[in-house]
Amino acid sequence: DSGVTQTPKHLITATGQRVTLRCSPRSGDLSVYWYQQSLDQGLQFLIQYYNGEERAKGNILERFSAQQFPDLHSELNLSSLELGDSALYFCASSVGGTTYEQYFGPGTRLTVT
Amino acid sequence: GESVGLHLPTLSVQEGDNSIINCAYSNSASDYFIWYKQESGKGPQFIIDIRSNMDKRQGQRVTVLLNKTVKHLSLQIAATQPGDSAVYFCAESHSGTYKYIFGTGTRLKVLA
Repeated sequence: DSGVTQTPKHLITATGQRVTLRCSPRSGDLSVYWYQQSLDQGLQFLIQYYNGEERAKGNILERFSAQQFPDLHSELNLSSLELGDSALYFCASSVGGTTYEQYFGPGTRLTVT
Repeated sequence: GESVGLHLPTLSVQEGDNSIINCAYSNSASDYFIWYKQESGKGPQFIIDIRSNMDKRQGQRVTVLLNKTVKHLSLQIAATQPGDSAVYFCAESHSGTYKYIFGTGTRLKVLA
């Protein structure tokens, strides 16, 4: 158990809908990272937050957004969902913005039908 | 563009043998490299890391080698066990960007 929690574990929704994925980092960790893992593209870095502020952006679509709240939990919002958004979404946390060892949560499996 | 890749998508080894998983990276500015293990249905788990000022780093049964000249990274697992069966990812980052680029992964199968 990494100490990172993610909810829900599974999510099934229809195209065009909007969903919110939630992540709670390990106690004491200030950074949260979001990743998308699909069969054909591996693990893709989406976005990083450090202590409530966006720190780095990866290949995140404009239809996706994220935020980190004062209690340090984070939410990833996915809107106008397409079939291709079906994937595993992982959250990871680390102690600081420049501390590299990341701890991953169990992931949320999103299926768009 | 920047990329991190793996030479072998699947590696099968006999239990007790040593395993070597390879990774190539293309960004010569990357200064930090990580190996992760992902078991089925779980999130990636940190195995070992290495910074660009090192050539080798050892952990428990694992060794990471970094060859900056040819931009190559490898993970060696000694005395491979059935519990080592998983997908292994290498990742690179540059300290100035906070971004991490992961390879597509190599599946390690341990044969009894």
